[in-house]
Parts: sequence; C-alpha cells; structure tokens
Amino acid sequence: SQQGEEDPQALSIQEGENATMNCSYKTSINNLQWYRQNSGRGLVHLILIRSNEREKHSGRLRVTLDTSKKSSSLLITASRAADTASYFCATGGSYIPTFGRGTSLIVHP
Amino acid sequence: DAGVIQSPRHEVTEMGQEVTLRCKPISGHNSLFWYRQTMMRGLELLIYFNNNVPIDDSGMPEDRFSAKMPNASFSTLKIQPSEPRDSAVYFCASSWDRGFHEQYFGPGTRLTVT
Repeated sequence: SQQGEEDPQALSIQEGENATMNCSYKTSINNLQWYRQNSGRGLVHLILIRSNEREKHSGRLRVTLDTSKKSSSLLITASRAADTASYFCATGGSYIPTFGRGTSLIVHP
Repeated sequence: DAGVIQSPRHEVTEMGQEVTLRCKPISGHNSLFWYRQTMMRGLELLIYFNNNVPIDDSGMPEDRFSAKMPNASFSTLKIQPSEPRDSAVYFCASSWDRGFHEQYFGPGTRLTVT
C-alpha cells in the first residue's frame, strides 16, 4: 500500500508557534499532496510536491520531501487560531490517491 | 465557479431504505472520485471515474453500493439497501485530468442510517 501515515495524530500549540507534522509512506510516488480539513467541511488542497522536488513553499507553509526515507513534513509557521483543522497527506503513484488518517491541529489563541 | 456541489448535505434514513447521493463536479474536470470518511477507517476511496467511465471501483465495499456518471456534470452514489454501518460522511471530489492531480472536494453528505 502507498498509504501515507501522518504523525503526530494530534498537536496542540499556542498561536504564533510553529506546527510541524510528518507523513510517511511505503512505496514510490509521483507526487505527494497535503490537504486541510476544517470541521464539518470537505478537504482543501494546500500544496503538491513532486518526487523530484525536495522543498516547496506556499505562504506560511513549507513542505519537504525525502524520497530516500519515504517521508514528508509540513511546517506551518506563525500559526493562527484559524489554522485549527485536520491535515492530511495524500500519496499517489498513478491516479489513485491514498490519504492518511490525518493530524488534528489545535491552535490556541 | 461554484466548486463541487453535493446533495443532500444531510440524509437520515432507516435501515433497508435506498439512499442516493448526488455530485456535480467542477466544469471542465474529467476525473471524479467518491470517498467515504469515518472515524474508524479514515478517508476511503470508493470509486474513480475518468471521462465518465469507472476506472477503479475496488473500494466499493459491497454490491449494495453502486455509482454512475451518465455525463460529465453529474454522478450518483447509491446504497440499496442501506445499513447502519453505512453511516459516514461521503465526499465527491473532481480533478482536471487523469493522474494524481490536485483534487477539489465537495462539502460532503453526512449519512445517518438508523
């Protein structure tokens, strides 16, 4: 299975702190994506990193990919209460995406 | 663009009843995915369509589940007969092409089977 698994399962921080969550997967991938899900809503795409990329930035988001370790990390800098959500990584070798169980992030104001 | 549209948003039904969930993908997208999300199992891919053709339905749990995509702007997921263990949030997502691209998710349908 290419299923990504996020770590930690839950993360609680104060506003202004950085939040780091990790994703590990088992087989080779074409790209890896991170999504956010607010309570009661659908998933929202955050960032896609290709297998030949090592780091990617988007606003306060920084994603790294280490294909040798089959792992990725998502860093949210200067967190805000509005960042409270679940974060999922999705891996795909072809067209079938596989989502992990997610990291639940709570940012306290 | 209104994004992916799903209906109904909430459905409560009794065991044994037929349930039909509907999805309108984003115009121009030719890939459509149906997912089911539960606390126990997380987000599971049920079926994937490309150009209205089912490509992979290996995630459909049993014959009680069926999905159709009669045209590029409409898809249905039907459960007949429904069971309490089918209770979950069902998401539809679309993307612009075949391959593992950014997916746009609908708001989901929360199904409760009593």
